[in-house]
Amino acid sequence: GESVGLHLPTLSVQEGDNSIINCAYSNSASDYFIWYKQESGKGPQFIIDIRSNMDKRQGQRVTVLLNKTVKHLSLQIAATQPGDSAVYFCAENEMGDDKIIFGKGTRLHILP
Amino acid sequence: AAGVIQSPRHLIKEKRETATLKCYPIPRHDTVYWYQQGPGQDPQFLISFYEKMQSDKGSIPDRFSAQQFSDYHSELNMSSLELGDSALYFCASSPDKAGTNTGELFFGEGSRLTVL
Repeated sequence: GESVGLHLPTLSVQEGDNSIINCAYSNSASDYFIWYKQESGKGPQFIIDIRSNMDKRQGQRVTVLLNKTVKHLSLQIAATQPGDSAVYFCAENEMGDDKIIFGKGTRLHILP
Repeated sequence: AAGVIQSPRHLIKEKRETATLKCYPIPRHDTVYWYQQGPGQDPQFLISFYEKMQSDKGSIPDRFSAQQFSDYHSELNMSSLELGDSALYFCASSPDKAGTNTGELFFGEGSRLTVL
């Protein structure tokens, strides 16, 4: 069925290193992708998005890469900080469809 | 800045009881979404509204219903509660028209429902 999922449930990264969180999606009609960050006890927070006509988009310390050929996207966080500890979700949307579908989250754990 | 307000934050109910969750979107946001998140799970889309009309529907049980009122607040009504309904229920609002392909959903802090 159509779903968005993540490869790893937990990722441990040394503080200051770069983090890479991966996501696979299966709906070939998806044309818009979003990364959300969810801290404990809070609602998801928008980080960055990318449309299917792009393969890379950069924000402040974050970069999203999209590979439509293999239906894969990733979130790169530069110089990971303790405040980056959270669960990260990729999500997808199909043009004309209202709903944002979330994939399975990856917990990012920062090592001191 | 004003955020999405959800109430109550915590709710404990018995099986077969009824619960109502409320969501007050950010001012001038006319699209509201409801999501259910079980422990360690991803948020599951339930239903959305745009301009007080249902705009999309996901995996929402028939025991659940929702509506958006004239002041744009929304309520999620859950009846015949089951143990499996225990979850965090998030409301999100957006300033954009439903289906315009945007991820700028602003989420509330969620309502934690526990069914005993």
